[in-house]
Amino acid sequence: DIVMTQSPDSLAVSLGERATINCKSSQSVLYSSNNKNYLAWYQQKPGQPPKLLIYWASTRESGVPDRFSGSGSGTDFTLTISSLQAEDVAVYYCQQYYSTLLTFGPGTKVDIK
Amino acid sequence: EVQLVESGGGLIQPGGSLRLSCAASGFTVSNNYMSWVRQAPGKGLEWVSVIYSDGRTYYADSVKGRFTISRDNSNNTLYLQMNSLRAEDTAVYYCARLLYFDYWGRGTLVTVSS
Repeated sequence: DIVMTQSPDSLAVSLGERATINCKSSQSVLYSSNNKNYLAWYQQKPGQPPKLLIYWASTRESGVPDRFSGSGSGTDFTLTISSLQAEDVAVYYCQQYYSTLLTFGPGTKVDIK
Repeated sequence: EVQLVESGGGLIQPGGSLRLSCAASGFTVSNNYMSWVRQAPGKGLEWVSVIYSDGRTYYADSVKGRFTISRDNSNNTLYLQMNSLRAEDTAVYYCARLLYFDYWGRGTLVTVSS
């Protein structure tokens, strides 16, 4: 199985400041035949199902604010919130879909400082 | 509009069985990858199982041999048959579309306890 790790476990950022979350996979999720990274990011608020933010590592889902961006390739990925808003307080998960056995990272909790 | 609505959760004793349903609207289940994902209370997300459009199925090691994913094309519904349930299967179970999960249901709570 591909193991996903995230860092940090939690972070607190001032309103309007940048938040950066890292995700690492135990093996590459870059498919060489199409040069796509099979990596997605989700946001989950309490009592709600997760919401897709980013897929193919850097493609923003329709309707997601452009302050959210994804980057990285191979085994190392980053989710950046360029200017944290109050409504961004949530837990963020990365997920690989390269393997037939799909796996999530453990999550990163983002709060306001 | 795409919608997913799970049902069938509840309280069940260890060793028991339960079947979850996920009624889909706005798209055709059989033409898509469909998964079950669960979340134990206060914990992170765990993928459980997927069914491909061609019928292939895959399972997390934690449920392999106990859970079965299936679909009813005529009712546009996804199912998860759960047998030999354990306390550690207690979770909210979500159904979700595609391999990067673009649509999720609200979930159904399964509690395994005596």
